[in-house]
Amino acid sequence: NAGVTQTPKFQVLKTGQSMTLQCAQDMNHNSMYWYRQDPGMGLRLIYYSASEGTTDKGEVPNGYNVSRLNKREFSLRLESAAPSQTSVYFCASSDETGRYEQYFGPGTRLTVT
Amino acid sequence: GDSVTQMEGPVTLSEEAFLTINCTYTATGYPSLFWYVQYPGEGLQLLLKATKADDKGSNKGFEATYRKETTSFHLEKGSVQVSDSAVYFCALSGGNTPLVFGKGTRLSVIA
Repeated sequence: NAGVTQTPKFQVLKTGQSMTLQCAQDMNHNSMYWYRQDPGMGLRLIYYSASEGTTDKGEVPNGYNVSRLNKREFSLRLESAAPSQTSVYFCASSDETGRYEQYFGPGTRLTVT
Repeated sequence: GDSVTQMEGPVTLSEEAFLTINCTYTATGYPSLFWYVQYPGEGLQLLLKATKADDKGSNKGFEATYRKETTSFHLEKGSVQVSDSAVYFCALSGGNTPLVFGKGTRLSVIA
């Protein structure tokens, strides 16, 4: 039982490059989330998917797109990376959206130069 | 909208000292409240939670009581250890919406 897995663990991009962060969960959860963590800012929600087939914007969606590929997988895409997107990205999942424990992946550390 | 305010860190304590990390919230209705912990290089994991007023969540020697009258959910531990060094996040959920997190409080415990 791996829980929530994320790939890659580290990535360095040049400004303007694109990439996709992958996330998968094996707990049969309905809801999945993408956060970014910056020093002094805590966790900020980028996008979430309450259930397979749905996605919604969070607090900081600009510059990102997401795809809920199936119940297990939820990817985050940066179409044209900017230095302001340098951050640590966490994926999480939960049974449902709301008052349920969220399980987090180990994170992806992204640097955009 | 819903929000969480927690004390800024970093907090530095000696081993066996008493810990309090303050957390207050703003929300409509009756949210569920959570404390998450993030150890160095890892993702967040749930430490404890409370779902209604006067509930006390507890785990690994940590406790927090849901106080509706003061809209607070302060984290306490009677005797901290070096292994408790981490970043602690207070969070709430008011219903069918994602968790709202505070900015985190870094705790360092020195031997």
